[in-house]
Amino acid sequence: SAVISQKPSRDICQRGTSLTIQCQVDSQVTMMFWYRQQPGQSLTLIATANQGSEATYESGFVIDKFPISRPNLTFSTLTVSNMSPEDSSIYLCSVEDPRRDAGELFFGEGSRLTVL
Amino acid sequence: KNQVEQSPQSLIILEGKNCTLQCNYTVSPFSNLRWYKQDTGRGPVSLTIMTFSENTKSNGRYTATLDADTKQSSLHITASQLSDSASYICVVSHSGTYKYIFGTGTRLKVLA
Repeated sequence: SAVISQKPSRDICQRGTSLTIQCQVDSQVTMMFWYRQQPGQSLTLIATANQGSEATYESGFVIDKFPISRPNLTFSTLTVSNMSPEDSSIYLCSVEDPRRDAGELFFGEGSRLTVL
Repeated sequence: KNQVEQSPQSLIILEGKNCTLQCNYTVSPFSNLRWYKQDTGRGPVSLTIMTFSENTKSNGRYTATLDADTKQSSLHITASQLSDSASYICVVSHSGTYKYIFGTGTRLKVLA
């Protein structure tokens, strides 16, 4: 199975600042996904990051607010810009491992962000 | 609209008892259905994956069923343990867009 490391695991930030979350995978993967999980809610896809191209954002999410980098096949970052309390969530990195059944989806441990 | 609905929203059971969680979906065309377990403060971990041709799949004390005709799935937990306390999320893959559609989850609490 793919092992995904995310950091920071948690952080408390001030309104108006930005935070970058890192995601490292132990194998090369084509697509990496960034999800947001607000308190008591399920996961919402923010964007899909492919190496060598710009990320594809879902409706309601924009690059200026959530810039993403994907410099190689094992690493990606998500930045939460100009944060407000509404951005307080768990942010999860995910990859699809084509070596496993039906392209099994693996998740990192998540980065719990609290904005004051 | 492609949606995944889970019930109940939350459930409390005593250790050793069995329970069944439900998932209804309207996703079409459908590729596969997954059940994930998410412990508090952790990322989701896969329990089972089923394609449309599979009716049942087991993983230890977890057994998932799928009825593609009625678009319903269930996750049965046998002889529950305290460590089963978690959120259980049903995820359906849309074969047209290859997107994953997540249910809102069922929060299970197992009491001693």
